[in-house]
Amino acid sequence: SQTIHQWPATLVQPVGSPLSLECTVEGTSNPNLYWYRQAAGRGLQLLFYSVGIGQISSEVPQNLSASRPQDRQFILSSKKLLLSDSGFYLCAWSGQGGSTDTQYFGPGTRLTVL
Amino acid sequence: AQSVTQLDSQVPVFEEAPVELRCNYSSSVSVYLFWYVQYPNQGLQLLLKYLSGSTLVKGINGFEAEFNKSQTSFHLRKPSVHISDTAEYFCAVSLPQGAQKLVFGQGTRLTINP
Repeated sequence: SQTIHQWPATLVQPVGSPLSLECTVEGTSNPNLYWYRQAAGRGLQLLFYSVGIGQISSEVPQNLSASRPQDRQFILSSKKLLLSDSGFYLCAWSGQGGSTDTQYFGPGTRLTVL
Repeated sequence: AQSVTQLDSQVPVFEEAPVELRCNYSSSVSVYLFWYVQYPNQGLQLLLKYLSGSTLVKGINGFEAEFNKSQTSFHLRKPSVHISDTAEYFCAVSLPQGAQKLVFGQGTRLTINP
């Protein structure tokens, strides 16, 4: 069966520090991968998605970036964190069936920027 | 662009009572519709989805939703709720092509009182 992992589970970082969040998927190959952010009291916003290694699409302008160095690994990064980057970050994967496929979400990383 | 409005931010209900969580969407093209549930500090789990066909969709945990194209609504219902249904519920849409880029509503917090 497929599983999705995210780490760390929680993170407290000072403003201006770098960020690296990691997401890995097991039990499937060539998945679509997604990063979402859930800010306090708000819904989820799609940040990035990837349909293959090295293929990243950004949905919103921000100081975050994403990379996919391996088929089942998706990384969210920042060079300098802002207070507004605080939130709950969720990684998700789906099959290559596109829009009809179910997205499966990871357990999330709660990021607090102080 | 697509948008989703969940009309109630919080819904308190007594145990074993029926519940309806409302969702309206806006789109100039056909969309796929989804309901997800999020338990505290966890990722999201798919409850049900509407892609095409019968407008009444049945999902997990006894939930169902009805797609109403003329009213652009996709309300979620359950005839009798349990304490374990306490969670946040998100309605989402995506376009029926390409990678599944979900657009979420703000969420509805369902609280079940004994």
